Amino acid sequence: AQSVAQPEDQVNVAEGNPLTVKCTYSVSGNPYLFWYVQYPNRGLQFLLKYITGDNLVKGSYGFEAEFNKSQTSFHLKKPSALVSDSALYFCAVRGSISGSARQLTFGSGTQLTVLP
Amino acid sequence: EAGVTQFPSHSVIEKGQTVTLRCDPISGHDNLYWYRRVMGKEIKFLLHFVKESKQDESGMPNNRFLAERTGGTYSTLKVQPAELEDSGVYFCASSQVHPSNYGYTFGSGTRLTVV
Repeated sequence: AQSVAQPEDQVNVAEGNPLTVKCTYSVSGNPYLFWYVQYPNRGLQFLLKYITGDNLVKGSYGFEAEFNKSQTSFHLKKPSALVSDSALYFCAVRGSISGSARQLTFGSGTQLTVLP
Repeated sequence: EAGVTQFPSHSVIEKGQTVTLRCDPISGHDNLYWYRRVMGKEIKFLLHFVKESKQDESGMPNNRFLAERTGGTYSTLKVQPAELEDSGVYFCASSQVHPSNYGYTFGSGTRLTVV
């Protein structure tokens, strides 16, 4: 069965510093990887995805993520954090094999707090 | 375009009662999904509709949960009778195609508290 691990429940960074939110995954076949963000009282918003191609993908709000096949990781990064980036971040994966593997599997989420 | 709409946004019910959650997907999206996040854990897949048909209900926890999508438009998720462990946030999402390579549009969720 496919799975996603977000090892950090909470990440704190100072405004202006780089941030990283970690994600590792397990899936059969080629992975399709996603990052979503949830702001307070809002729904999950799509940030970025990796399907194929360049290992470094760029998304909304200046975020990027690097796909590392050997380490089965897809860490979310941003060079300079903003206070407004404070939110709950979810990594998700789906497989390419048919059936339930094509449904999104999410991690447990990482609460990012950017301190002014 | 309007997004995915869920209501109520919050619901507090007593153990043993019934609750019905509703999801209105984006117009024209044949695929509708229910997910839930329980007690700060991962967001788990519950089921997937294609139009009015249940395509995949492998994530439904037990027979106290009943999902419907009459007419292939909005969907309801009924919990009857509710138990304490059903507390959590229930998300609905929709997409034009499945599987989608462009992410899914999620609603704001319904926070269900069973006391």
